[in-house]
Amino acid sequence: DAGVIQSPRHEVTEMGQEVTLRCKPISGHNSLFWYRQTMMRGLELLIYFNNNVPIDDSGMPEDRFSAKMPNASFSTLKIQPSEPRDSAVYFCASSLGLADTGELFFGEGSRLTVL
Amino acid sequence: GESVGLHLPTLSVQEGDNSIINCAYSNSASDYFIWYKQESGKGPQFIIDIRSNMDKRQGQRVTVLLNKTVKHLSLQIAATQPGDSAVYFCAPGPNRDDKIIFGKGTRLHILP
Repeated sequence: DAGVIQSPRHEVTEMGQEVTLRCKPISGHNSLFWYRQTMMRGLELLIYFNNNVPIDDSGMPEDRFSAKMPNASFSTLKIQPSEPRDSAVYFCASSLGLADTGELFFGEGSRLTVL
Repeated sequence: GESVGLHLPTLSVQEGDNSIINCAYSNSASDYFIWYKQESGKGPQFIIDIRSNMDKRQGQRVTVLLNKTVKHLSLQIAATQPGDSAVYFCAPGPNRDDKIIFGKGTRLHILP
């Protein structure tokens, strides 16, 4: 199994530009999570989906952030317009469902730098 | 909401010694707790979990201890190896909303 696949691995952009991060979860997993990691705030949950439906987006910082999951094998996290404070590593994770176990499978992350 | 805290942001341990990473929690209703390991440049990886009806669980070179009286759990790593260098996160098991909230983590540094 290829695991959770994220792209791009690194992105450097200028303030005001649109950023789109992509995630392919593990086949058969029905829950997908987007986390953001910074030194100051640690690993923060932004949003998660179950069966392609957004369940909880209370962690999304503001309206500049949006996430979609058009099908079971693909999700995007978009920031428009981007700001320097959005610089972080963004992780996508998937799981079979968390009813019995808290095992999330994380991708290797997308490191975003906004200048 | 759940509050998860870690006693030490960084822990340095001699190679071959045992490591103990501590974690405190505030919500006594948590059904179980999970430990993750994050190596440099990678995403977090599940290590082990423990149910609230247990006080100890062992895995390969790792042991989780849960003390519900003082709302504290620890991750013990036996014979620490260079490959154990990572940031370790504890988290309460998912609540009804099926989400896991992580703390900031403890960095384990292995001394040669």
